[in-house]
Amino acid sequence: LAKTTQPISMDSYEGQEVNITCSHNNIATNDYITWYQQFPSQGPRFIIQGYKTKVTNEVASLFIPADRKSSTLSLPRVSLSDTAVYYCLVGDNGWTGGFKTIFGAGTRLFVKA
Amino acid sequence: DGGITQSPKYLFRKEGQNVTLSCEQNLNHDAMYWYRQDPGQGLRLIYYSQIVNDFQKGDIAEGYSVSREKKESFPLTVTSAQKNPTAFYLCASSTIGLSGSEQFFGPGTRLTVL
Repeated sequence: LAKTTQPISMDSYEGQEVNITCSHNNIATNDYITWYQQFPSQGPRFIIQGYKTKVTNEVASLFIPADRKSSTLSLPRVSLSDTAVYYCLVGDNGWTGGFKTIFGAGTRLFVKA
Repeated sequence: DGGITQSPKYLFRKEGQNVTLSCEQNLNHDAMYWYRQDPGQGLRLIYYSQIVNDFQKGDIAEGYSVSREKKESFPLTVTSAQKNPTAFYLCASSTIGLSGSEQFFGPGTRLTVL
């Protein structure tokens, strides 16, 4: 399983763009990169997923370089409600039998007014 | 509405007692998972199941047991053998397939052993 490394915490101000980078040097060919958001005492919530290049949805963008050894979650114009823990996961969802996923400690984002 | 439910939200038990946490999903997902989260920590995988009547140990399965008799249900039993059971327990489900798939999480059960 590919291990991921993220910063433990980040601070930002309302209205700024926040970029959280995740390293996954041992990513396998069939692995996808998925980001989740978790608020205190709640289950994680899916944000975005990608395989290569750039993916954008209504809440975030995910940038993946050609070698796929890292990825960057970009949150545009954050608000106080974006204060949460963000997890980067790498896995293939069971297709090749590598079914387990590792969440790690995540990145604790604190948005200030 | 489709979703995944866990019950109860809060659970208190005396030390030495077994306790079962419920997890139900109506998303028609094949895979289901149980995670444990301790304060300030990430999620650790306890058990997962890809299909009915089959399940696999995760990283911290000792002291826990599961069953998967129905596709929709994946209950977790915290046994007296679990040394430190007080934690936040999260159940999730997902599809299985060639493309990546997100996990849908329930609201969690906070277990406190007195």
